[in-house]
Amino acid sequence: EDQVTQSPEALRLQEGESSSLNCSYTVSGLRGLFWYRQDPGKGPEFLFTLYSAGEEKEKERLKATLTKKESFLHITAPKPEDSATYLCAVQTSSGTYKYIFGTGTRLKVLA
Amino acid sequence: DVKVTQSSRYLVKRTGEKVFLECVQDMDHENMFWYRQDPGLGLRLIYFSYDVKMKEKGDIPEGYSVSREKKERFSLILESASTNQTSMYLCASGGASGKETQYFGPGTRLLVL
Repeated sequence: EDQVTQSPEALRLQEGESSSLNCSYTVSGLRGLFWYRQDPGKGPEFLFTLYSAGEEKEKERLKATLTKKESFLHITAPKPEDSATYLCAVQTSSGTYKYIFGTGTRLKVLA
Repeated sequence: DVKVTQSSRYLVKRTGEKVFLECVQDMDHENMFWYRQDPGLGLRLIYFSYDVKMKEKGDIPEGYSVSREKKERFSLILESASTNQTSMYLCASGGASGKETQYFGPGTRLLVL
């Protein structure tokens, strides 16, 4: 069965304390892996798409990487405004447009 | 700039009422999706549409129907609202290339009393 697991469920960091969020997946074939940021009470905001192992994408303090079994979202020197839930989703190559979402990592960055 | 809008941010309805949630996208995307999001369960797909008047069931279609009469508009209908349909409803749209990112609307928080 296709599955996406995110860890940790929750993470508290001091401002400036770098860390990584993990998204591991078990799918029959990967078409794409997507990272989103979601603020409380709002819709997910697109961050990155990764298509193949070894690919990396960067935006400000965030960097996403992809291997054959997992993706990491690295947060360098985070600020309080980076506090949010980060969602990972996988699109499989099963022939549909469906995403499989993880349950997210709630990140809190303390000033 | 990518734009997906939803007709309401908050809705309060009574059990048994018929509820319409509307979503509009301005990106000329072929695919549109309705999800619900509940604590601990993540996002679950209710229905999606890959073309006008075309639809497919997602993982939890029971108690819901959809309508797509125009490319830019995708409606979710709760035929007879029940308390277990209290949730955050999210609409998304994406292109048809097979590797397209989905872009989400702001969400509708529905409370069924």
